Amino acid sequence: QQQVKQSPQSLIVQKGGISIINCAYENTAFDYFPWYQQFPGKGPALLIAIRPDVSEKKEGRFTISFNKSAKQFSLHIMDSQPGDSATYFCAASKGKAAGNKLTFGGGTRVLVKP
Amino acid sequence: DAGITQSPRHKVTETGTPVTLRCHQTENHRYMYWYRQDPGHGLRLIHYSYGVKDTDKGEVSDGYSVSRSKTEDFLLTLESATSSQTSVYFCASGVGGTDTQYFGPGTRLTVL
Repeated sequence: QQQVKQSPQSLIVQKGGISIINCAYENTAFDYFPWYQQFPGKGPALLIAIRPDVSEKKEGRFTISFNKSAKQFSLHIMDSQPGDSATYFCAASKGKAAGNKLTFGGGTRVLVKP
Repeated sequence: DAGITQSPRHKVTETGTPVTLRCHQTENHRYMYWYRQDPGHGLRLIHYSYGVKDTDKGEVSDGYSVSRSKTEDFLLTLESATSSQTSVYFCASGVGGTDTQYFGPGTRLTVL
């Protein structure tokens, strides 16, 4: 049973366009929602994260939108660049009391065409 | 980048043989984690540690064991490797006060 569902599995966007990746979760005990970026042959690296007390968080060209009632959150990559081509994973955590364990979505491979 | 290394980086082994993967971190992080990455499944937690000699199971722990005798080292052992354990294995560490995890470069394991 996948607790965090991610879509799409892959997407292609033109340089300068907007990439949108969506995630949905079931467990309302999750209280921390990070996005990780992974380049081929490398380990994932934290990109941006949000807690459910805010509906949006922006860092540069990356924005997380969070809808607590719908149990959904999404990553928007504005002005997508070829260097953004990577696999993106959403995740969710129940916090320190649960060992800060992360439950990951299945990943989205993003290709930005020049 | 947090100082996390994994060894070996690549390994090919045969079904039924024992395999140990090593994770080493230099950040004095309390928490350490082992994940496996398979297409379509993202990363799935195998085991984690919340201190020296303190470990617990994750989502896909069957067939795996771990040990942590020092803060900096976290070992993952496949007692008798099976083809279903062919995967890329990632180690991660974290302070514990925050939820941020820092990942190592991964180990690609192939079980023939």
